[in-house]
Amino acid sequence: SYEVTQPPSVSVSPGQTASITCSGHRLGDKYVCWYQQKPGQSPVLVIYQDTKRPSGIPERFSGSNSDHIATLTISGTQAMDEADYYCQAWDSSTGYVFGSGTRVTVL
Amino acid sequence: QVQLQESGPGLMKPSQTLSLTCTVSGDSLSSGNNYWSWIRQPAGKGLEWIGRIYVSGSTNSNPSLQSRVTISMDTSKNQFSLNLSSMTAADTAVYFCARDHVNNALGSFHLDPWGPGILVTVSS
Repeated sequence: SYEVTQPPSVSVSPGQTASITCSGHRLGDKYVCWYQQKPGQSPVLVIYQDTKRPSGIPERFSGSNSDHIATLTISGTQAMDEADYYCQAWDSSTGYVFGSGTRVTVL
Repeated sequence: QVQLQESGPGLMKPSQTLSLTCTVSGDSLSSGNNYWSWIRQPAGKGLEWIGRIYVSGSTNSNPSLQSRVTISMDTSKNQFSLNLSSMTAADTAVYFCARDHVNNALGSFHLDPWGPGILVTVSS
């Protein structure tokens, strides 16, 4: 079955840039999306089709996807961005595949 | 604004069959514009996709759960439902429903929005 891998945690200072990676075999051949999940809340879509932001998502969130790695970048990170972030791809055999999640801590 | 709301029992006994319902407002299941999915998340762990349904009745499920999963839809009530049989403690999780955006031509698949989730505990 298809799998994607994320680092467990990323730390960032306020105002700096946080980069969260998601790796998988030929991941660049698939569309990747990203979800933000704060404690006790349901996930919120922040990036879809690798680079697109849904309405209402701040411009500081951006995405890229090439070869085997997709990246979610948070520019000018704010305290409110502290959350778990999950990448997601689709595999024709497995269905929706989620990464294990990355905890972003704003120090 | 599309909203989803899960409902069902919060406590199950081992071997029982879980039945959850997702009520959708702000969008019509019968429009055929989207699929509709179920996802779960054990406490402190990641997300696991369970399966989805289209208005035609077509369903897809996670191969690891497929033998125990049944998903159905009632367009007259604008609801879709999940049945998960032979529950064990390993099925204890928060269960979410979500609108499933599928573009097969592009190969684009994402879930938005999600319901608030419902905690289901399996315990004797």
